[in-house]
Amino acid sequence: EDKVVQSPLSLVVHEGDTVTLNCSYEVTNFRSLLWYKQEKKAPTFLFMLTSSGIEKKSGRLSSILDKKELFSILNITATQTGDSAIYLCAVGTGTASKLTFGTGTRLQVTL
Amino acid sequence: DGGITQSPKYLFRKEGQNVTLSCEQNLNHDAMYWYRQDPGQGLRLIYYSQIVNDFQKGDIAEGYSVSREKKESFPLTVTSAQKNPTAFYLCASSPDRTSGYNEQFFGPGTRLTVL
Repeated sequence: EDKVVQSPLSLVVHEGDTVTLNCSYEVTNFRSLLWYKQEKKAPTFLFMLTSSGIEKKSGRLSSILDKKELFSILNITATQTGDSAIYLCAVGTGTASKLTFGTGTRLQVTL
Repeated sequence: DGGITQSPKYLFRKEGQNVTLSCEQNLNHDAMYWYRQDPGQGLRLIYYSQIVNDFQKGDIAEGYSVSREKKESFPLTVTSAQKNPTAFYLCASSPDRTSGYNEQFFGPGTRLTVL
């Protein structure tokens, strides 16, 4: 059974802090790892990673994949209150574009 | 505007009633998906469809049914056999059904409450 585990489950930081969110996986026929941000309703896409060791970056957010150790991290630098959300990690497997999601990390950024 | 729409936003149902959640996309995507989200459990796959007139069960299909008669539409019926239907339901679509590399795009969700 495919499994995706995220840690921590919940995190509270002060504005300006840097945070690292973790995602580990055990799946068959790995294709890609995706990060989403969910604020109120629809998750919005952040990154898709398919190759080990190549960092994807967008503004203050960055992510990297380690296919040997089966994990990914999502870094957020200089956090802002607008970063408060649930961050979801998902792994794509096989040929059907199916995604297996982790339980998410709830991030709260306080002033 | 291209996107995925779900209706209604909020739905209340009495125990023992079937209810159908709507999902429509105008992105011309091949694949569509239904997920259920409960607090602390992430997203769990209910059903998915890679092409019109074909669909497959996901991890938690019991008590649910779907149809895919048109490319743009993938309605989900929550039947009375679903023991704990109160949840947030998300519909998603993906452009390519076969590559496994494409991100899924999500609709705004429907919150179903059983009274």
